[in-house]
Amino acid sequence: EKQLLESGGGLVQPGESLRLSCVASGFTFSDCGVAWVRQAPGKGLEWVSTIGGSDSATSYADSVKGRFTISRDNSKNTLFLQMNSLRAEDTAIYYCAKVLNWRNYYDYWGRGTLVGVSS
Amino acid sequence: EIVLTQSPATLSLSPGERATLSCRASQSVSTSLAWYQQKPGQSPRLLIYDASSRTTGIPARFSGSGSGTDFTLTISSLEPEDFAIYYCQQRLDWPITFGQGTRLEIE
Repeated sequence: EKQLLESGGGLVQPGESLRLSCVASGFTFSDCGVAWVRQAPGKGLEWVSTIGGSDSATSYADSVKGRFTISRDNSKNTLFLQMNSLRAEDTAIYYCAKVLNWRNYYDYWGRGTLVGVSS
Repeated sequence: EIVLTQSPATLSLSPGERATLSCRASQSVSTSLAWYQQKPGQSPRLLIYDASSRTTGIPARFSGSGSGTDFTLTISSLEPEDFAIYYCQQRLDWPITFGQGTRLEIE
């Protein structure tokens, strides 16, 4: 069974940093693109970043470019999101999601980890 | 950025009825569009990709259609478990974008 499990969320103050992790199981992680998608409380879905499988090419939403860094460790089946200079508007549930066959649709999702940014 | 506009914002129907949800793109996305279902407290679930391909395990009552800028998700006969929020998503161009969602509620 394909699974994704996020961790690392929490409550931080504006300007601080946080690192999210997502451990994958049940599929060949290194063959798959993976992404972070977030959802602010009571709001819709917002794509944050994607990283390719073998080539590890990255893409970012403009709202996080220059502040967030996506990376992966294929030896540990783990995806990361380093979040710096956090803002109140970054408050959201952050989901890790597996990309479907390089099509940039998301066929498996984790349960999410909550990030809160408040003074 | 490709903007996806979903309508209606809320759709009130009864079990057994047919639901028709719309997603309109600000520019052509060909057939590079997906539909997701999200229930309260749960992660989104991929229903339809490439506009009309059903994901494995999704019931046949869910169907997608459209190309270019206009897309439709149809649920032929609503089951109680279908009441949820539905999002469309385009993958044609960066940034990946989602619609704002349609809430399907029990009338």
